[in-house]
Amino acid sequence: GDSVTQMEGPVTLSEEAFLTINCTYTATGYPSLFWYVQYPGEGLQLLLKATKADDKGSNKGFEATYRKETTSFHLEKGSVQVSDSAVYFCALLNQAGTALIFGKGTTLSVSS
Amino acid sequence: EAGVAQSPRYKIIEKRQSVAFWCNPISGHATLYWYQQILGQGPKLLIQFQNNGVVDDSQLPKDRFSAERLKGVDSTLKIQPAKLEDSAVYLCASSLAAGHSGNTIYFGEGSWLTVV
Repeated sequence: GDSVTQMEGPVTLSEEAFLTINCTYTATGYPSLFWYVQYPGEGLQLLLKATKADDKGSNKGFEATYRKETTSFHLEKGSVQVSDSAVYFCALLNQAGTALIFGKGTTLSVSS
Repeated sequence: EAGVAQSPRYKIIEKRQSVAFWCNPISGHATLYWYQQILGQGPKLLIQFQNNGVVDDSQLPKDRFSAERLKGVDSTLKIQPAKLEDSAVYLCASSLAAGHSGNTIYFGEGSWLTVV
């Protein structure tokens, strides 16, 4: 069945460092791909998405490119801030377009 | 635009007791989801409604969990009797409609359940 695999955390960075969180997926066809962020004590917020191959989603300085050759959707940011500390979830929309399947999440901790 | 509303935010109950969570989706959203998020894991779909009908409840432990969306708007998720392993965040989400690649799903802040 469909699944998402994320790199294990936690990821600990200093402010202004470069961030990469790896995400790969297994799915039938070409699903839409998403990154959600969960700040401490809050629900999930959509960070960015891509609906077809080679699409680049971007928001708040974060980017991710849909790579069908490598079935990947890695999240990147050039310069992280303390306020980016959160848990990041990669997800895909199942083929029917009806529900999200999530990875286990990657915790990011940024120190000043 | 108002987001997905959930209540209560936090609940602590003893095992074998019952609990109910309420969700009001974004106005006009036909599809409503309940997800369970256990600490350290990604959210897992429990049940999906399209208007007032169930689309997918294959992951719902039906011996103790039930959910309804009688009028096709707000929804209630009930657990009875609760077990220790039900401690989790219960996330409600909604979307305009299911079944297309551009479907964006919006989440509420979650209801945090601790079973002791």
